[in-house]
Amino acid sequence: QSVLTQPPSVSAAPGQKVTISCSGSSSNIENSYVSWYQQLPGTAPKLLIYDNNKRPSGIPDRFSGSKSGTSATLGITGLQTGDEADYYCGTWDSSLSVGVFGGGTKLTVL
Amino acid sequence: QVTLKESGPALVKPTQTLTLTCTFSGFSLSSSGMRVSWIRQPPGKALEWLARIDWDDDKFYSTSLKTRLTISKDTSKNQVVLTMTNMDPVDTATYYCARGTTTVTPGFDYWGQGTLVTVSS
Repeated sequence: QSVLTQPPSVSAAPGQKVTISCSGSSSNIENSYVSWYQQLPGTAPKLLIYDNNKRPSGIPDRFSGSKSGTSATLGITGLQTGDEADYYCGTWDSSLSVGVFGGGTKLTVL
Repeated sequence: QVTLKESGPALVKPTQTLTLTCTFSGFSLSSSGMRVSWIRQPPGKALEWLARIDWDDDKFYSTSLKTRLTISKDTSKNQVVLTMTNMDPVDTATYYCARGTTTVTPGFDYWGQGTLVTVSS
């Protein structure tokens, strides 16, 4: 059972927009930065968003992140078939001093 | 260019101790703000954070696995080692090492390719 809660799956058509939610608590999301990762089939996770809403170099601005209270959201616009992947949120739990992840969300681009 | 690579046995027997090595390049774990974590992923399941070691030798462990894990670093070799005792079939997973920095913390900006460890007699 993952500490952070994500929907198991989301889907949308090519070109459309999708959001993925990540719910936590005051000891993790509310008091720490949230990161988002994309994991394509058979590959290692890749950092998409850090510090709640910053994109590493090379990540297109179709990907965005936001945080409010104990929840965070990943947004993806202009969906492409190549965006089909599992997406994970992660952060630090300051009460337990441990890293935590969400259960992952499988994105299907119909 | 930052790279990380995990190495270790592909198969371990139940009750044995697993030793994994993360060999990295492109950064030094003696530089302020650098940190390396171990993360695992059972087949078809979610990511699970295991442990972290920082440039100043601070160490952090998963609450549920704390008694079984030990993380250490050898800065001269650019390696981080994770040992996990008393392995069980439920520990079958791909094990990743990943880098964190003060810029992206608590995120991980570079990941190894992962190494699949199967626990079976």
